[in-house]
Amino acid sequence: KAGVTQTPRYLIKTRGQQVTLSCSPISGHRSVSWYQQTPGQGLQFLFEYFSETQRNKGNFPGRFSGRQFSNSRSEMNVSTLELGDSALYLCASSDVIEQFFGPGTRLTVL
Amino acid sequence: DQQVKQNSPSLSVQEGRISILNCDYTNSMFDYFLWYKKYPAEGPTFLISISSIKDKNEDGRFTVFLNKSAKHLSLHIVPSQPGDSAVYFCAASDGGTSYGKLTFGQGTILTVHP
Repeated sequence: KAGVTQTPRYLIKTRGQQVTLSCSPISGHRSVSWYQQTPGQGLQFLFEYFSETQRNKGNFPGRFSGRQFSNSRSEMNVSTLELGDSALYLCASSDVIEQFFGPGTRLTVL
Repeated sequence: DQQVKQNSPSLSVQEGRISILNCDYTNSMFDYFLWYKKYPAEGPTFLISISSIKDKNEDGRFTVFLNKSAKHLSLHIVPSQPGDSAVYFCAASDGGTSYGKLTFGQGTILTVHP
């Protein structure tokens, strides 16, 4: 089976802009979770989607949002970008418990 | 409030010896624990997991031990190999519909010297 894919791999944006990241899960996996990794805060949970519904949510502001499509692909959107949003954004898919991660999207906000 | 802690930022081990990575947690609702390995600029790779109903799980060179009363888990790698050099994260989940949410420790950098 193909692994989790994320596009784009690298992104540079300026403050105030918005960005959309995409994640394609492993075939057959219905759960997609998103995480933010920064040097200071480590890996932090953003949200999880299961069967097109947000099932869990982390402690991030409303500027961070996501959605999941009927084919389980997921997108996350960050509006009004801030410098502190620069991070590696990871998505993970699972069918039971263990989560399998994609390579991540490196977002740089200038 | 850091619910999952890896108190050793780094660990250095000789090739062929045992590597022991430790993790402590504070949330007694956690009932499933996982270890991941991560190289720079890549996503974490799942290594091994353990349910709270067990105290040990083995997979090849990797063994995870869980001590629920101490809220402590450890990952043993035997024998250690240079290719094991990476950042290791422990993660925990509190079950049910929350399995989609993992809480991670800060990571331990493992260096295995030839």
